Amino acid sequence: EAQVTQNPRYLITVTGKKLTVTCSQNMNHEYMSWYRQDPGLGLRQIYYSMNVEVTDKGDVPEGYKVSRKEKRNFPLILESPSPNQTSLYFCASSSHGAGMDTQYFGPGTRLTVL
Amino acid sequence: RKEVEQDPGPFNVPEGATVAFNCTYSNSASQSFFWYRQDCRKEPKLLMSVYSSGNEDGRFTAQLNRASQYISLLIRDSKLSDSATYLCVVNFNDYKLSFGAGTTVTVRA
Repeated sequence: EAQVTQNPRYLITVTGKKLTVTCSQNMNHEYMSWYRQDPGLGLRQIYYSMNVEVTDKGDVPEGYKVSRKEKRNFPLILESPSPNQTSLYFCASSSHGAGMDTQYFGPGTRLTVL
Repeated sequence: RKEVEQDPGPFNVPEGATVAFNCTYSNSASQSFFWYRQDCRKEPKLLMSVYSSGNEDGRFTAQLNRASQYISLLIRDSKLSDSATYLCVVNFNDYKLSFGAGTTVTVRA
């Protein structure tokens, strides 16, 4: 089954404790992206990747890191989480880019930073 | 000013009714337009792309007005299963999509 998976689905952590949210897709997509969703603000792009070893900042990259060592995986790293990073996070992928292709989203990761 | 703005609603309509809502975008160079559906904080899923000439998919009709920089979605013969949040999505380049905050539709029996 074609899908985007994220882990963990739910996470409660404390300020400053490094964490990684994994994202994996099995559709051989080139483009992957991370978003956060907060009430009243819509989805905001954190980072995106056009292909392996090619990543760039989105609208809200501060406090986050990403890597794209393999085509299928695009982990999101929070080196020192803070309470303002409490949010719902979605990973997405598409064939080639954000333009004409359908974005396939993972199920989301609900993160709470205390 | 937000890049994409939507009326948050909620639009509360009876089954069988028609409901329509708009979304405005600020960048006149926008290239592609989409409506995504999101159920109860689950992952968004593509509902339909929006083409310049307007397009229809079953009970759903999308229109694009480039001159006034808005897109619209109309749902005919509403079903209970249409209750969701509808996200307006606009593409400015190959790397970035801009999402509206969503319009909530509730269809009641």
